[in-house]
Amino acid sequence: GAVVSQHPSWVICKSGTSVKIECRSLDFQATTMFWYRQFPKQSLMLMATSNEGSKATYEQGVEKDKFLINHASLTLSTLTVTSAHPEDSSFYICSARVIDFIDTQYFGPGTRLTVL
Amino acid sequence: QQQVKQSPQSLIVQKGGISIINCAYENTAFDYFPWYQQFPGKGPALLIAIRPDVSEKKEGRFTISFNKSAKQFSLHIMDSQPGDSATYFCAARRKGSARQLTFGSGTQLTVLP
Repeated sequence: GAVVSQHPSWVICKSGTSVKIECRSLDFQATTMFWYRQFPKQSLMLMATSNEGSKATYEQGVEKDKFLINHASLTLSTLTVTSAHPEDSSFYICSARVIDFIDTQYFGPGTRLTVL
Repeated sequence: QQQVKQSPQSLIVQKGGISIINCAYENTAFDYFPWYQQFPGKGPALLIAIRPDVSEKKEGRFTISFNKSAKQFSLHIMDSQPGDSATYFCAARRKGSARQLTFGSGTQLTVLP
């Protein structure tokens, strides 16, 4: 159980375009999902907390108008990178909170975004 | 502001040896400490976790030692195997409704055959 998927696994886009990344919990419902970005050989940095049916909570320094998050259902959260630029190139990873006796996060496989 | 410090940055161990990775936290507002394993190009996978009211937890070859008074915890990998070669992240979960995780900087482990 606790499988999280992401789509696409990689995407290449031109500067100025927008890219949508999907995060799905496959075998459970997730009221809370998280979005991270990870640069090569670096740690995961939390970008935002996504709650189903409400606005996302962004970490300090993350532009909410650039990284649009929608958590429209209990199994799907989307991250849209608007007007992408080369500096937005990164590995984007989502996770879903599983509220069981452990109450922890399970991660998706990540999406590699390259902006040309 | 990094609230979880992890060391070493990289570690090379011979097959069969013990790998030890250390973490220290500064904020007492954490209530759960998981370790994640990440292979290149993949998302992190939960390896083992511990609550602060427990001093040690063992699962197979993996053991977490936790020192609440020193605000330190460590991962021990016994009988390390080449397949264990990956990046390991410690994390600390914030208290509160959302339960966000704060990650350490990561340790790249290489186990030589």
